[in-house]
Amino acid sequence: QKEVEQNSGPLSVPEGAIASLNCTYSDRGSQSFFWYRQYSGKSPELIMSIYSNGDKEDGRFTAQLNKASQYVSLLIRDSQPSDSATYLCAVNMGTGNQFYFGTGTSLTVIP
Amino acid sequence: DTGVSQNPRHKITKRGQNVTFRCDPISEHNRLYWYRQTLGQGPEFLTYFQNEAQLEKSRLLSDRFSAERPKGSFSTLEIQRTEQGDSAMYLCASSLARGNYEQYFGPGTRLTVT
Repeated sequence: QKEVEQNSGPLSVPEGAIASLNCTYSDRGSQSFFWYRQYSGKSPELIMSIYSNGDKEDGRFTAQLNKASQYVSLLIRDSQPSDSATYLCAVNMGTGNQFYFGTGTSLTVIP
Repeated sequence: DTGVSQNPRHKITKRGQNVTFRCDPISEHNRLYWYRQTLGQGPEFLTYFQNEAQLEKSRLLSDRFSAERPKGSFSTLEIQRTEQGDSAMYLCASSLARGNYEQYFGPGTRLTVT
């Protein structure tokens, strides 16, 4: 059983729209959650972290966490072509020692 | 910018050869992680250090892989007797040992085994 699951996509949205990326995880004791952006051929870049239920906003990005449903999402408002990348969900399952990553969702923003 | 650095960025080797990669973490970070990533997959945890101590190693990591962080600063990852299945991007990340443990990745070393 995969610890972290994401819809692999591809997800396509028009420029200016809201992109919604979803992630579920298996360990109910998971402590903190992270979204990374990865451009093709590059390494993952941290976008934001969240560890409390609810929403956390940072610029055009909003992370949403629901621990009861074991669900975390990322909303990208006013999507830009430069947002086209693979978005990785990562979960810290309790001890802070390692992150479990999903396989990523490929996002394309169409001009 | 004093982000995570990795060397070399690319390595091509023949099957059976040994290779070594280096990672220099963000200077104030005492945790250092190694991951492997193949096409279409997320990073897969290999091992991590807190200061110079190697505290966890993936069960998936074969005995051909070894990592060190002798002075609690830079780290090396060695793969002995490389196999074609070792071809991947090897990523290093670092973090503080407190708070959210946010991990920051280096640019990676792409290994190709021919």
